[in-house]
Amino acid sequence: AQSVSQHNHHVILSEAASLELGCNYSYGGTVNLFWYVQYPGQHLQLLLKYFSGDPLVKGIKGFEAEFIKSKFSFNLRKPSVQWSDTAEYFCAVQGTGGFKTIFGAGTRLFVKA
Amino acid sequence: EAQVTQNPRYLITVTGKKLTVTCSQNMNHEYMSWYRQDPGLGLRQIYYSMNVEVTDKGDVPEGYKVSRKEKRNFPLILESPSPNQTSLYFCASSLSRTRGGLTDTQYFGPGTRLTVL
Repeated sequence: AQSVSQHNHHVILSEAASLELGCNYSYGGTVNLFWYVQYPGQHLQLLLKYFSGDPLVKGIKGFEAEFIKSKFSFNLRKPSVQWSDTAEYFCAVQGTGGFKTIFGAGTRLFVKA
Repeated sequence: EAQVTQNPRYLITVTGKKLTVTCSQNMNHEYMSWYRQDPGLGLRQIYYSMNVEVTDKGDVPEGYKVSRKEKRNFPLILESPSPNQTSLYFCASSLSRTRGGLTDTQYFGPGTRLTVL
């Protein structure tokens, strides 16, 4: 079955700490991968995406993610978080050439000032 | 400004009373989609549309209907709402090729919080 698994449902960090959010997927065939962010009271916005090419992709606000095909993973990283990164983060996968999108359950990040 | 708009933003209704949530985009996107967001479950796709008059079911289509008569609009219809449809609903749009899949990221609307009593 197609699925996306985000390992941590809640993460609490202090400012300047490093962040890594795990995402693993189960999907037959080639995929497009995304991380979206939802700040409190706002709608989803794209952080970064992988369609093809360099498996290390850089997004907005200093975020990056690495696609490891052999591990079916697309983990999100940031070297030093800020209070303003407090949000919910969603990993998503689409089959290349397809139209359905599968989202993970989300990870709520709280950054202490 | 490029955007996806939804109306209403908040709605409280009663079981069985038909309702429609509208979605409109001004980016000339072929692809539009509806999701519901529930705590601990993330976003689940309800229906999507690859172009005018072309729609397909997502993972949780039961109890919902959609139509795509114009490119810019993709309303979500609940013919007989039930309490288990209480949720936060998002509409999204994207560029796509009708037979080739999505070619870009999805742009999301602000959400509609629906409560069915």
